[in-house]
Amino acid sequence: DQQVKQNSPSLSVQEGRISILNCDYTNSMFDYFLWYKKYPAEGPTFLISISSIKDKNEDGRFTVFLNKSAKHLSLHIVPSQPGDSAVYFCAASVGNQGGKLIFGQGTELSVKP
Amino acid sequence: GAVVSQHPSRVICKSGTSVKIECRSLDFQATTMFWYRQFPKQSLMLMATSNEGSKATYEQGVEKDKFLINHASLTLSTLTVTSAHPEDSSFYICSAQTLAGETQYFGPGTRLLVL
Repeated sequence: DQQVKQNSPSLSVQEGRISILNCDYTNSMFDYFLWYKKYPAEGPTFLISISSIKDKNEDGRFTVFLNKSAKHLSLHIVPSQPGDSAVYFCAASVGNQGGKLIFGQGTELSVKP
Repeated sequence: GAVVSQHPSRVICKSGTSVKIECRSLDFQATTMFWYRQFPKQSLMLMATSNEGSKATYEQGVEKDKFLINHASLTLSTLTVTSAHPEDSSFYICSAQTLAGETQYFGPGTRLLVL
C-alpha cells in the first residue's frame, strides 16, 4: 500500500520557469511533510518541510503548499535552474511514530537551459 | 551543519560474507538513526529504526538476524549485512534525526554489490 504517491515520474521545465512537483498521500495521520532532492548514487538532501498546522512554507526559491482536505502537497521552484535537475522525493511522517518517514516514488526533474 | 557520513561508500563482496556499514552524525547528536535501502528507479524503503542504547525496530519483512543494527553512541550506528547474497545488492542509506527536530539528514549512501 503506497501511502505517499508521486504520480509523475518525470518533469521537464525550461530554465527560469516554475517547476511544480506534486505529491499525494492517503494516511490522514501524517502531520509532517518533507521534500528531498537526490542525485544518483548520493543520499537525499533536505530541501524544505511543512507541518500539518500550516498550508504554506517558503524558503528562497522553494515553496511547499499543503492542502490537507485534498491530502495533497506540492513543491514550487521559482525560477528553475539547470542545477535543480535531480530526483525529488516527498516524504511524510506521523509525529508519534518516532520520525519514521514514508517516501514517495520520486519525480525526476529536468531543467533545460 | 547536520552532516552525516557513511563508510564505505562502495563495497563488493563474495556471497556468504558479512559486510558492515557505518553511519556517523559528524556535527550533531542523534538518538535515532534510520536505515533505508533503494533499488534502482525505486523509492527509499525504510528497513529499521536504530535507537541509541536499545534494540533496533525493524520494518515488516526485514530480517533482523540478517541485517544487524548496532547504535552504540549518539553519533554512530552500524548496519551489518550477514551472509550476503546477490539479492542483497542495493544502495543502503542511513539518516540521523536531530535531537530537537523532526528533520532527518541523510548520509551519502553505500553501494553494495554481492557477487
